[in-house]
Amino acid sequence: AQKVTQAQTEISVVEKEDVTLDCVYETRDTTYYLFWYKQPPSGELVFLIRRNSFDEQNEISGRYSWNFQKSTSSFNFTITASQVVDSAVYFCALSDRNTGGFKTIFGAGTRLFVK
Amino acid sequence: KAGVTQTPRYLIKTRGQQVTLSCSPISGHRSVSWYQQTPGQGLQFLFEYFSETQRNKGNFPGRFSGRQFSNSRSEMNVSTLELGDSALYLCASSPIDNRNTGELFFGEGSRLTVL
Repeated sequence: AQKVTQAQTEISVVEKEDVTLDCVYETRDTTYYLFWYKQPPSGELVFLIRRNSFDEQNEISGRYSWNFQKSTSSFNFTITASQVVDSAVYFCALSDRNTGGFKTIFGAGTRLFVK
Repeated sequence: KAGVTQTPRYLIKTRGQQVTLSCSPISGHRSVSWYQQTPGQGLQFLFEYFSETQRNKGNFPGRFSGRQFSNSRSEMNVSTLELGDSALYLCASSPIDNRNTGELFFGEGSRLTVL
């Protein structure tokens, strides 16, 4: 069965600090996809990144970087030099193939406060 | 390019009533997924439709149903409303084909309050 665990419920940092959001997943499939989404106070979930299970290369996009490690089933998200605009709830998600369809499940989310 | 559009944005119903929510996906997206978001349960997967067929279903009672039309627009229906159905209902579309999976593009949601 699929499962996504975001152990950090809330994180509070001061602007310009670096912050890492943790994500641990479980799946029996060998082919799966991992995602991060951002939900700002306005409420609309915004896609940030997708990683395929067969591509463990880390990725950097501006102040955002993602570390995917299959050995520990983790897909962590780091924001460098955080800004107030980064304040939001961040969700990690997992999707795998399921008899012709797909089903994406989400972690509980981590609420990030940047002061 | 227009995003995912959900209507109505807000609605108030009483217990026992039924409700229909509508979702227009991004043009060209053929997959539509529905999620229920509550403070206690987070983002819960309801179902996913592709080419008018329900391919995946979450663990919700039969009171929750949905459908997709030939133009990819989707509706979900909740019958015999209960207080616990109060939530933000999110629709997401995805640019996927029959085999692959991709990121989800979310609408702003329909906030349902059951009194």
